[in-house]
Amino acid sequence: AQTVTQSQPEMSVQEAETVTLSCTYDTSENNYYLFWYKQPPSRQMILVIRQEAYKQQNATENRFSVNFQKAAKSFSLKISDSQLGDTAMYFCAFRINFGNEKLTFGTGTRLTIIP
Amino acid sequence: AAGVIQSPRHLIKEKRETATLKCYPIPRHDTVYWYQQGPGQDPQFLISFYEKMQSDKGSIPDRFSAQQFSDYHSELNMSSLELGDSALYFCASSLGGDYSYEQYFGPGTRLTVT
Repeated sequence: AQTVTQSQPEMSVQEAETVTLSCTYDTSENNYYLFWYKQPPSRQMILVIRQEAYKQQNATENRFSVNFQKAAKSFSLKISDSQLGDTAMYFCAFRINFGNEKLTFGTGTRLTIIP
Repeated sequence: AAGVIQSPRHLIKEKRETATLKCYPIPRHDTVYWYQQGPGQDPQFLISFYEKMQSDKGSIPDRFSAQQFSDYHSELNMSSLELGDSALYFCASSLGGDYSYEQYFGPGTRLTVT
């Protein structure tokens, strides 16, 4: 079974600063995906970024980037130039890369951007 | 682009009543997943369907049942509701098969049991 751990229940940062959210996971699988989802107050689940385990290059989406350390089973999210709209719960998630596999989520980090 | 549709968006039921949640996947998506998110918790996988057959099963109570219909929409039936069933229920859809495709989430159904 896979487990996903987010050790930072809450974080806050000033607007325009950079913040890094941590995530570690445990699996015996070698082929998998990792995701960061954002859940704003509307409770909609929004995919922020994803990383294929077989890719060494870290994924980047505009102001969002990840630091994927496969050997350490670490997958952190960096948000640059943070904006008020980034205020949300952020969930790290894991999925085996095969068929119709489910997502396994971490417990989330509540991020607040301070004006 | 069309998204996943869930209905109703909000539902209030009393203990021991029955509830039915519906999910309409993105057109051409043949796989549906159901997740339950309790207050202050992360989403937990309940059950999934691929091509109208149950694909995987998670921590779904025996009081819950689900199915996927010929048009690929899915329904989650919940009986003998308990206070602890109050949660946000997400449906997600994807293309299925051997390759692992992206899951797209619906807006959720907020169920309140009183």
